[in-house]
Amino acid sequence: TQLLEQSPQFLSIQEGENLTVYCNSSSVFSSLQWYRQEPGEGPVLLVTVVTGGEVKKLKRLTFQFGDARKDSSLHITAAQPGDTGLYLCAGQTGTASKLTFGTGTRLQVTL
Amino acid sequence: DAGVIQSPRHEVTEMGQEVTLRCKPISGHDYLFWYRQTMMRGLELLIYFNNNVPIDDSGMPEDRFSAKMPNASFSTLKIQPSEPRDSAVYFCASSPLLVGTGRHYGYTFGSGTRLTVV
Repeated sequence: TQLLEQSPQFLSIQEGENLTVYCNSSSVFSSLQWYRQEPGEGPVLLVTVVTGGEVKKLKRLTFQFGDARKDSSLHITAAQPGDTGLYLCAGQTGTASKLTFGTGTRLQVTL
Repeated sequence: DAGVIQSPRHEVTEMGQEVTLRCKPISGHDYLFWYRQTMMRGLELLIYFNNNVPIDDSGMPEDRFSAKMPNASFSTLKIQPSEPRDSAVYFCASSPLLVGTGRHYGYTFGSGTRLTVV
């Protein structure tokens, strides 16, 4: 069973602060995705990374895939209240159609 | 496209009753997934279908759970009889077929059904 551990589990910060969320596994993934889930809704795909060492930016969010494709990070610059939500990483093994989801990081950004 | 549509949004039922959750995937998506989300266990895959055929049901908790996909535009997840420990948010998600390199295009989730069994 592949496990994707995310840290921290909870994070409460003030608007304008920077933060990093980590997603770690002992398994190698062919691709890794990040989702954000807001209360009462399903997770929404933010990004997919496929190459070891790959970095992708989405406005204030920076995603990185580890060189060995076992881990990933999400960095948010100058967090805003709209960034509040549950952040989930999800890994694909080989060409499998199903994803393994991480344990989640619950982020709260206050004014 | 209206996205993945799930119904009902909320369901409250008494222990022992039958519960049926419904899902309409995005047209053209070949994969359909049923997940359950709780605070304790996070997102758990229950079962998934490819072209209406069940591929992996190893996540279905027990025989009380069953899922069907009679056609490409409709799927149901049934719990009979329901128990309080089944209380959770149930998500349906769909995904297009992997082509070429097998790169995953990601899931589109529905808004979920919040099930409460009392």
